[in-house]
Amino acid sequence: DAGVTQSPTHLIKTRGQQVTLRCSPISGHKSVSWYQQVLGQGPQFIFQYYEKEERGRGNFPDRFSARQFPNYSSELNVNALLLGDSALYLCASSLLTSGSRDEQFFGPGTRLTVL
Amino acid sequence: AQSVTQLDSHVSVSEGTPVLLRCNYSSSYSPSLFWYVQHPNKGLQLLLKYTSAATLVKGINGFEAEFKKSETSFHLTKPSAHMSDAAEYFCVVSLYNQGGKLIFGQGTELSVKP
Repeated sequence: DAGVTQSPTHLIKTRGQQVTLRCSPISGHKSVSWYQQVLGQGPQFIFQYYEKEERGRGNFPDRFSARQFPNYSSELNVNALLLGDSALYLCASSLLTSGSRDEQFFGPGTRLTVL
Repeated sequence: AQSVTQLDSHVSVSEGTPVLLRCNYSSSYSPSLFWYVQHPNKGLQLLLKYTSAATLVKGINGFEAEFKKSETSFHLTKPSAHMSDAAEYFCVVSLYNQGGKLIFGQGTELSVKP
């Protein structure tokens, strides 16, 4: 079975531009979460979506937005890019049947570089 | 507030010797705790998880962790390190009342010397 897939794998943008990252969850998983991992740090929670509804939001500015589609895939959008947005963006999917006990399965990530 | 603290940013061991990666947690509720591993240029892989069942949790690749409520610790161990264990390890707590939002520690880089 295919795991969580993300596209693109790498992306280079300049300050002020906008970017869209994509994620396809494992088949049957209805929850998708997004995390930002800056070099040398642990991932930081950005968003969680379940059944196309936002279930949680981390401490990120409004420049960050996301959505989930009827097929449970998801997009993360970042507007007005800053140098500090350079990071590995990770997508995770889960069944979300037992809340905090569910294992989240991570994709390989999208490496975003902002110049 | 719930959080995790990984006590070592870097651990170096020799191949064949034991591994100990330390993690303390803070939680107002009975926590769900995880250890994830991240190899270079790879995604995160779950090693093991604690969800209020047995306090000694066995994971993949010979790793195990013990939940100690009195010490608020969840240390990761392995009896004998292998070269392929070299990676970044993250201790993670899942927020009880936020549907599984994960809070990651800062990570411990494990080096294995031949």
